[in-house]
Amino acid sequence: SQQGEEDPQALSIQEGENATMNCSYKTSINNLQWYRQNSGRGLVHLILIRSNEREKHSGRLRVTLDTSKKSSSLLITASRAADTASYFCATAPSGGYQKVTFGTGTKLQVIP
Amino acid sequence: DGGITQSPKYLFRKEGQNVTLSCEQNLNHDAMYWYRQDPGQGLRLIYYSQIVNDFQKGDIAEGYSVSREKKESFPLTVTSAQKNPTAFYLCASSGTVRANSNQPQHFGDGTRLSIL
Repeated sequence: SQQGEEDPQALSIQEGENATMNCSYKTSINNLQWYRQNSGRGLVHLILIRSNEREKHSGRLRVTLDTSKKSSSLLITASRAADTASYFCATAPSGGYQKVTFGTGTKLQVIP
Repeated sequence: DGGITQSPKYLFRKEGQNVTLSCEQNLNHDAMYWYRQDPGQGLRLIYYSQIVNDFQKGDIAEGYSVSREKKESFPLTVTSAQKNPTAFYLCASSGTVRANSNQPQHFGDGTRLSIL
């Protein structure tokens, strides 16, 4: 079963604009991770946010986590054509070791 | 360079045939994973292994088998019992598994399997 659900499923923006993707999940988590996948390639880890953190930054990426709403958002600022990819959230449930569950992804297209 | 190598990149399976997908990592990671990705979909977990000589079924293990005889290697066999094997298969690894500490996963570049 897939716990994370991304929204929107697809997003098309102009280069230089900001892109926001959202992830909702169902059960308590230990952490939430965001990954990027370029077409035909493997996933690349972007950022991990723990359940006791509310916001995290990495370069042009900003991730927020609201555990009361069971949701997270990924903001990419000043987007570039090279940001074109699919973005996935992955949730790590709390309570001992449990396997990470990936969402269905948001497909982002950045138009030059 | 440390990383995960999957081979082959493309694989074709005939009816009734078993095929094996290779996954090797030199990151000294304890945990390894196999995922299946269908077009436009997320990842679904087939099998995972937290340590050598041990592995667990994921959400869609039927028709697949694995082994973990070495830390570096986690091959996946797609058996003839898997009736719809056409998909993109991704292997991943992560560091030492501890309770409440799921670490980021490192992925290979996948194997695309098709039926002849």
